[in-house]
Amino acid sequence: QKEVEQDPGPLSVPEGAIVSLNCTYSNSAFQYFMWYRQYSRKGPELLMYTYSSGNKEDGRFTAQVDKSSKYISLFIRDSQPSDSATYLCAMSPYSSASKIIFGSGTRLSIRP
Amino acid sequence: NAGVTQTPKFQVLKTGQSMTLQCAQDMNHNSMYWYRQDPGMGLRLIYYSASEGTTDKGEVPNGYNVSRLNKREFSLRLESAAPSQTSVYFCASTGRMGQGYGYTFGSGTRLTVV
Repeated sequence: QKEVEQDPGPLSVPEGAIVSLNCTYSNSAFQYFMWYRQYSRKGPELLMYTYSSGNKEDGRFTAQVDKSSKYISLFIRDSQPSDSATYLCAMSPYSSASKIIFGSGTRLSIRP
Repeated sequence: NAGVTQTPKFQVLKTGQSMTLQCAQDMNHNSMYWYRQDPGMGLRLIYYSASEGTTDKGEVPNGYNVSRLNKREFSLRLESAAPSQTSVYFCASTGRMGQGYGYTFGSGTRLTVV
């Protein structure tokens, strides 16, 4: 069993819809949670970063962490075609970058 | 533009050939990393360098070697390429070890071993 599970999709939604992307994990020691966005043939770029449980909002994006359920989510409001990309969750038991575990990514397509 | 530059962008190797993937960053970052990305597997850490002069193994180091040439450059070498090393390779850097949220990734090298 992988430490981090992420549905690969693809997920296709119409423009303007609310998108929910999720990851589950098994290691209760994870405390740092990240979401990366990766456009086709590009490197990942950091989208959101949260520490421990709770919510974090940045514009149209909201990251949620539920440590009791070992479940993290990324919500995208008013989705745009430019949001079409692969979204990778990532997490770590501490701030050491060498211990970051990435999910396999969810491919998202926003239909105009 | 500031960032992480990887060369080459594409490469086809025959089994047993060797090659070096180059990575350079101009952000004065201390830490640099090499990842490979395979379908359904996510990003897996091959090697990292916390600071100039140090290197350490990651999750999947077998078949690879690295050199931290100076603060800017971190190269990845395949001594005898195997088809299992067909992948997309990403170099990344961050300002301080422990700031995973500060990763900057390069655009990747797409390597095919036949």
